[in-house]
Amino acid sequence: RKEVEQDPGPFNVPEGATVAFNCTYSNSASQSFFWYRQDCRKEPKLLMSVYSSGNEDGRFTAQLNRASQYISLLIRDSKLSDSATYLCVVKAFNAGNNRKLIWGLGTSLAVNP
Amino acid sequence: NAGVTQTPKFQVLKTGQSMTLQCAQDMNHEYMSWYRQDPGMGLRLIHYSVGAGITDQGEVPNGYNVSRSTTEDFPLRLLSAAPSQTSVYFCASSYGVPGLSNQPQHFGDGTRLSIL
Repeated sequence: RKEVEQDPGPFNVPEGATVAFNCTYSNSASQSFFWYRQDCRKEPKLLMSVYSSGNEDGRFTAQLNRASQYISLLIRDSKLSDSATYLCVVKAFNAGNNRKLIWGLGTSLAVNP
Repeated sequence: NAGVTQTPKFQVLKTGQSMTLQCAQDMNHEYMSWYRQDPGMGLRLIHYSVGAGITDQGEVPNGYNVSRSTTEDFPLRLLSAAPSQTSVYFCASSYGVPGLSNQPQHFGDGTRLSIL
């Protein structure tokens, strides 16, 4: 089982739709979680951190479910400009008990007019 | 407002050639790192540095060298290019170590490298 797994999609949604992605992680000791956004042939950019109590930034809501070991990203009122790949990043521990970041493969979102 | 600058953006090499990917940041970040991104795999850490004069290996260091003589620059050197090193390479920097802090990483535009 991969340490961080995401549904690759693609998710095709119309403008204005609400869409949600999940990301599961295998290490129950994982500490911090992030969502990055990567446009086609561009670099990743931090979208938001994910806090234990859940957090919201405009149309974006991130939630953490530690019991089921997943994080989610909800996008409301989708815009064409939301089309991108959304990368889940988890801070966990490696074999030497050192912290490391583990990147998911990403979920592709296409918002259609 | 440069941020993280990577050069070149594209490069084609022959097997066995060596080259250096350049990375510079103007944000006075202590932490810098190199990743590669391949289809079907998440970003994988090649090497990283927590400050000038300090470097360490990441997840996939073989075939690559780095140095950090200044805070600003963190070049990645391919010693003898192999087709398996065909990839997109990203340099990133942040104030803190990503594994120890929640500071965001700032990425360069990437270098698309093809090894024939």
